[in-house]
Amino acid sequence: AQSVTQPDIHITVSEGASLELRCNYSYGATPYLFWYVQSPGQGLQLLLKYFSGDTLVQGIKGFEAEFKRSQSSFNLRKPSVHWSDAAEYFCAVLTTSGTYKYIFGTGTRLKVLA
Amino acid sequence: NAGVTQTPKFQVLKTGQSMTLQCAQDMNHNSMYWYRQDPGMGLRLIYYSASEGTTDKGEVPNGYNVSRLNKREFSLRLESAAPSQTSVYFCASTDRGLNQPQHFGDGTRLSIL
Repeated sequence: AQSVTQPDIHITVSEGASLELRCNYSYGATPYLFWYVQSPGQGLQLLLKYFSGDTLVQGIKGFEAEFKRSQSSFNLRKPSVHWSDAAEYFCAVLTTSGTYKYIFGTGTRLKVLA
Repeated sequence: NAGVTQTPKFQVLKTGQSMTLQCAQDMNHNSMYWYRQDPGMGLRLIYYSASEGTTDKGEVPNGYNVSRLNKREFSLRLESAAPSQTSVYFCASTDRGLNQPQHFGDGTRLSIL
C-alpha cells in the first residue's frame, strides 16, 4: 500500500542552525513528491515538488529537498533556519493509479529557539 | 487572486445537527478534495472530485456526503454530526497534470458538542 512516513513528530532547532526533516515513502511506481508547510491557523502552502530529473530540488523560502530512490526518501533541508520557519511540515506523494490522489505524512512540527 | 475559499471558518454544532461546508476555487481547476486534519494524523482524504460531475470516496468517507455543484464549487455535508467529526476541514483543488500541487483553503474549524 502507498504510504508516507515522517518519523519525527517534533523537531527543535536553534535559529541559524541547519535543518533536515525526514520523509520516506512507499510507492511502486515513479513517485511525484511534495513538501508543504502549514503555519498556525492556515492552510498548507507548497514549498517544493519533485517530478523528474535533477534529484535535488529547490523551493521557496530557501528550502531544498533531495530525492533518493534507493532509500525511498525525500528529505527537506535548510542551511540556516529563521524564527519564521516555525511551522508544521508535511510530505506528500501523488498516486497515479486511476484517479490522482495525494497521500500525506503525519507531519513534523518545527520549533525554532531564539 | 482568492484561490480556494472555505466558509465558514469556525462552527460549533450540537450532536445530531446537520451542516454543509462550502468550498469554491477560482483557478479553473478540474479536481477538488476534502480532507480532515486531526492531531498526529496528518491529512486524511474524505472525498474527492476528479472533474465536474464525478465524486469518489477517500480514506474516511463515513458520515459525510459531497456535491460537486459546478466546476468551481465542492461542498461537504454532515447529515448528523457526531463528536468524532470534530476536526479541521480543508478543501483543496488541483490543476490537470501529474506535477501539479494542491492549493488549499484556510480550513474550517468544526467543533461538535
